[in-house]
Amino acid sequence: GAGVSQSPSNKVTEKGKDVELRCDPISGHTALYWYRQSLGQGLEFLIYFQGNSAPDKSGLPSDRFSAERTGGSVSTLTIQRTQQEDSAVYLCASSLASQNTGELFFGEGSRLTVL
Amino acid sequence: AQTVTQSQPEMSVQEAETVTLSCTYDTSESDYYLFWYKQPPSRQMILVIRQEAYKQQNATENRFSVNFQKAAKSFSLKISDSQLGDAAMYFCAYRSFLTGANSKLTFGKGITLSVRP
Repeated sequence: GAGVSQSPSNKVTEKGKDVELRCDPISGHTALYWYRQSLGQGLEFLIYFQGNSAPDKSGLPSDRFSAERTGGSVSTLTIQRTQQEDSAVYLCASSLASQNTGELFFGEGSRLTVL
Repeated sequence: AQTVTQSQPEMSVQEAETVTLSCTYDTSESDYYLFWYKQPPSRQMILVIRQEAYKQQNATENRFSVNFQKAAKSFSLKISDSQLGDAAMYFCAYRSFLTGANSKLTFGKGITLSVRP
């Protein structure tokens, strides 16, 4: 597609429910990143994919968080047994792994609210 | 690990005036990228300007320019002739020159810029 697409745009869920957030990167981009942005805070790195593998999962805050990427394209971030502190905007970004500009291209994010 | 610090949480500027947003970072690497991203209420991060650390010349993009001081590890953004559309949150970010697992961006906490008409 023309840009990074994320869905849903907004999600309200009850504490304890599982949620899935989807990211569709720019076509041809092999690198994909998930970030979390809590209210008034900067962007916190969660996980990085190169193709379908995740060489850096160091930012996942707990084992309730997982992510996968299939076909070197779409990625899903899953949060199990959601807690109120999981409320945040989850941003996805992609880039060409071989590019020399260093730029990441971002989607508009998924705002998660846990009641 | 690299860190990025934006110590000013908020700034305000009069329309048509100039404003400078500050950023400092810490790294032991010699080659890297630095970025300023803008985040309007739509939430999408938009690249404003990029600087490669090996370049001595400060980057410029129309009304946006940077003051890159490598020795001081300082990377400030100057916005000239401020416009109402410049109102947004601005993030400073660092990226290693290395690829692969080192390629993620490290962000500062951001600064909220308001523009007074």
